[in-house]
Amino acid sequence: SQQGEEDPQALSIQEGENATMNCSYKTSINNLQWYRQNSGRGLVHLILIRSNEREKHSGRLRVTLDTSKKSSSLLITASRAADTASYFCATDAFQAGTALIFGKGTTLSVSS
Amino acid sequence: SAVISQKPSRDICQRGTSLTIQCQVDSQVTMMFWYRQQPGQSLTLIATANQGSEATYESGFVIDKFPISRPNLTFSTLTVSNMSPEDSSIYLCSGKTGGGYTFGSGTRLTVV
Repeated sequence: SQQGEEDPQALSIQEGENATMNCSYKTSINNLQWYRQNSGRGLVHLILIRSNEREKHSGRLRVTLDTSKKSSSLLITASRAADTASYFCATDAFQAGTALIFGKGTTLSVSS
Repeated sequence: SAVISQKPSRDICQRGTSLTIQCQVDSQVTMMFWYRQQPGQSLTLIATANQGSEATYESGFVIDKFPISRPNLTFSTLTVSNMSPEDSSIYLCSGKTGGGYTFGSGTRLTVV
């Protein structure tokens, strides 16, 4: 099962520009996480935001969470070609023993 | 956080055969999960594996097709049975610890 939609599905930008990806989910959550996946490679954990947090920063990453709208956004500032990858949000529900449920993902392409 | 060794990293298999994927965790984890990632898609949860009990499968996945073993708190296997080209995907295992979730590096399966 998947939580919901991410938009856009694909995003193409120039180096130095900002990239914003959005994620919506359906159920109550304990936290929401963002992952990056380079083509054909494993998942890299980027950032986690808890349900009682509204915004979190990590380097060039800024994540927001709006639990009333069941949505989150990931902003990558001053993008680089190395940021080219697929980005997924994943939600962790309140119930113990539940798996992360992933959104459909956004494919980001940064050209130099 | 825990580290998961997943193997094989990739395989090309004949249709009608079966492949068993192994995940070894360097510490004990209560919950392990198996995901499928079809080409160009997000991760879809196949099942949750607890030690000493049958795995719990998500809608659309059945034990006969994806039998799972979880003999102890550090090891799990997923078998993809009677494979067809539609089973060509990346398969990932994940473990849940107090520090969060960790993922194996994935098995890229191609069925010919």
